[in-house]
Amino acid sequence: GENVEQHPSTLSVQEGDSAVIKCTYSDSASNYFPWYKQELGKRPQLIIDIRSNVGEKKDQRIAVTLNKTAKHFSLHITETQPEDSAVYFCAASIMSDMRFGAGTRLTVKP
Amino acid sequence: KAGVTQTPRYLIKTRGQQVTLSCSPISGHRSVSWYQQTPGQGLQFLFEYFSETQRNKGNFPGRFSGRQFSNSRSEMNVSTLELGDSALYLCASTEAGAGEQYFGPGTRLTVT
Repeated sequence: GENVEQHPSTLSVQEGDSAVIKCTYSDSASNYFPWYKQELGKRPQLIIDIRSNVGEKKDQRIAVTLNKTAKHFSLHITETQPEDSAVYFCAASIMSDMRFGAGTRLTVKP
Repeated sequence: KAGVTQTPRYLIKTRGQQVTLSCSPISGHRSVSWYQQTPGQGLQFLFEYFSETQRNKGNFPGRFSGRQFSNSRSEMNVSTLELGDSALYLCASTEAGAGEQYFGPGTRLTVT
């Protein structure tokens, strides 16, 4: 099955700085790549997603890039704020078979 | 629409026992996936059900099983519980194809 690797496992940034989280996947048939944010004690929630026919997608301070050839995709958060502190998960999906990375704990210091 | 619900929310069991967890998807969603979440391990995929059939399966032992009913509600069962089964079990529902998965609040299982 699909294998998703995510780096780094922890990331600490100063408020206002940018944060980048990177993921690689193994199955070239994967065609849907969501990113989820999980705050402490809460369920994961989708923050942005991208499909394999698109190279980049942006939503306000959040952007995702996809390189199908290299089989990697990244999450970029600009102008980070303390409320961005959470665990972020990337995932790769073939139809409804979705596999997640191990997560990145992002801490934004005020 | 009501969100994904899971029952019970918390459960304490003893080694060797079995447990059944329940998940009710968003109305109209026919796919239900189950995940095990432990600290440092992220979200480990257990299995996915669609129209009462297991469509995909992760790398978990046969002690973990599931089923889906005609109303799309799903249950997962863990037999012969081990201490390492202590985790948060999340279910998520989606419409038939690929797309956003909506997660339930999870069931926190503690095995003593």
